[in-house]
Amino acid sequence: GAVVSQHPSRVICKSGTSVKIECRSLDFQATTMFWYRQFPKQSLMLMATSNEGSKATYEQGVEKDKFLINHASLTLSTLTVTSAHPEDSSFYICSARDGAGENPYEQFFGPGTRLTVL
Amino acid sequence: LAKTTQPISMDSYEGQEVNITCSHNNIATNDYITWYQQFPSQGPRFIIQGYKTKVTNEVASLFIPADRKSSTLSLPRVSLSDTAVYYCLVLPNDYKLSFGAGTTVTVRA
Repeated sequence: GAVVSQHPSRVICKSGTSVKIECRSLDFQATTMFWYRQFPKQSLMLMATSNEGSKATYEQGVEKDKFLINHASLTLSTLTVTSAHPEDSSFYICSARDGAGENPYEQFFGPGTRLTVL
Repeated sequence: LAKTTQPISMDSYEGQEVNITCSHNNIATNDYITWYQQFPSQGPRFIIQGYKTKVTNEVASLFIPADRKSSTLSLPRVSLSDTAVYYCLVLPNDYKLSFGAGTTVTVRA
């Protein structure tokens, strides 16, 4: 089946630093990638939609200058949390959609990245 | 975007069948219904998707009545490893998934 990886799986950083999270589709070309954030005991919240070669579309309330998304190829999207602060500590999850796959609606999720900002 | 409503939690025992019903009264004509499973500290995993009547795969069954205002995910003979959060979602045309609170299913021995 389709596999999506994320790197790193866990990161701890100091307040004010930037952190980059990679999301890769390993065995398919991802037409669209999505970035979610999940706080403890809460549901996933969509942050942005990323299409290869074009600018990401951010959901209302998500600062695009703080959460930089780059979708440089059909298998890689990156999320950079700039000038991270403790309130940015969360579980960040990406997903990818294979537009040419058997089920174009199905999203394949990565394992998530736990970000802790001290 | 059609909103979904599902129970917050359900308890079950190993070997039993678990049925989770989701309401989506405002579902649009072209919308599909999908269910995802999430274990703690992991990304969600696709379980099943359907448009109407019944869909079955190796993991679960999905029952959708004619009016499509609700759907029921059926997990046959659950085991301890089925303890997870189950999300019911309505699929919009833009493919954006809007996750609700989900149903926490706890399976006991």
